[in-house]
Amino acid sequence: GAVVSQHPSRVICKSGTSVKIECRSLDFQATTMFWYRQFPKQSLMLMATSNEGSKATYEQGVEKDKFLINHASLTLSTLTVTSAHPEDSSFYICSARDPAVGDTGELFFGEGSRLTVL
Amino acid sequence: DAKTTQPPSMDCAEGRAANLPCNHSTISGNEYVYWYRQIHSQGPQYIIHGLKNNETNEMASLIITEDRKSSTLILPHATLRDTAVYYCIVSFQAGTALIFGKGTTLSVSS
Repeated sequence: GAVVSQHPSRVICKSGTSVKIECRSLDFQATTMFWYRQFPKQSLMLMATSNEGSKATYEQGVEKDKFLINHASLTLSTLTVTSAHPEDSSFYICSARDPAVGDTGELFFGEGSRLTVL
Repeated sequence: DAKTTQPPSMDCAEGRAANLPCNHSTISGNEYVYWYRQIHSQGPQYIIHGLKNNETNEMASLIITEDRKSSTLILPHATLRDTAVYYCIVSFQAGTALIFGKGTTLSVSS
């Protein structure tokens, strides 16, 4: 199946700094990517929908100024956690749908990026 | 909120079939049933999806009741590597994100 890759897989940063997480579709073009967040022992929560060439759409309760999403190309979306604090420590996961496999609705997920803010 | 209800946990012996139920009584006519699983500290993995008919692939079988209000994911011969959280999701087709519920933690033991 299609491959979605995230980088970095793990990152540790100091409180107050910003961290960028990249999400790439390796063998297909993704006009839309989705960003999720997962806290320990909880399910995935949708944060935002990233649309190539336009502004992201954020879910209720997600601060758009804190979680900056850029989808500048059809194969790359980035999530920047600005002024990170310990409560932002989480597992961040991106996903995308490959339009070439047909209108199946299947989402491909990245490996996830674990952020730890000290 | 998720539109599905799943048991929080299930156990299965290695080599046996694992049958994971899912209730989706409010599913609409054009919503699909998707199954994903998540092994610890990894991104979710697609398993199978269906609309009305039963489906089978190399990983699993999906049985959807005639009224579409529930479904069962069947792993025919569970292995230790099948230990994961299994998510049943109902959603419209392409273009929308998937909303995850709490899922079922399947523990396969030898």
